[in-house]
Amino acid sequence: QITLKESGPTLVKPTQTLTLTCFFSGFSLTTRGVGVGWIRQPPGKALEWLALIYWDDDKRYSPSLKSSLTITKDTSKNQVVLVMTNMDPVDTATYYCAHMTYSYGFDYWGQGNLVTVSS
Amino acid sequence: QSVLTQPPSVSGAPGQRVTISCTGNSTNIGAGYDVHWYQQFPGTAPRFLIQANSNRPSGVPDRFSGSKSGTSASLAITGLQAEDEADYYCQSYDRSLSAWVFGGGTKLTVL
Repeated sequence: QITLKESGPTLVKPTQTLTLTCFFSGFSLTTRGVGVGWIRQPPGKALEWLALIYWDDDKRYSPSLKSSLTITKDTSKNQVVLVMTNMDPVDTATYYCAHMTYSYGFDYWGQGNLVTVSS
Repeated sequence: QSVLTQPPSVSGAPGQRVTISCTGNSTNIGAGYDVHWYQQFPGTAPRFLIQANSNRPSGVPDRFSGSKSGTSASLAITGLQAEDEADYYCQSYDRSLSAWVFGGGTKLTVL
């Protein structure tokens, strides 16, 4: 079965860089059509899509955050990494990675990684 | 402000039917992109509830149904149960933004 799990720091300081890793199993990111995305959710607020990487290394980013995001994959390790620079307290959120379906939905989600941005 | 618009809250008594709307525009739902729905309980990850407008993933009760028309979509829950009390989100793709977009979420309260 498909599983995903996020790993990363729980606390970062303002202006620092956040690196989150998504460890997945049950599918291959070399299979045509497969994608893994990152979505975040500030406390008490709505879901916000951040980035997505396809099997062919095509990368998509949220227009409002594009300049601060980088998504990469390591297919040999079944990992997807999200890097977010210049963190701000407004970036405090639970960060999720998720498997994308053929119809652009997200059918399997990780448990989430709460990141607090504070000095 | 979310690209897809949902009512902040809806409520219903046990056994009743409730619907949650999701309104987009001509560059997302109206452009033919599928709408997906998620259920989220406090402190947990979203659960894939409705795929591609009206399809229920395995394990989702048939009390949940989805539909899409024009630039909008709806989630219906029949035979409301206390365990349905949660937040619900719609999601689609927007070709103008080249981005996956979510609604602002709807909190369902079972009275």
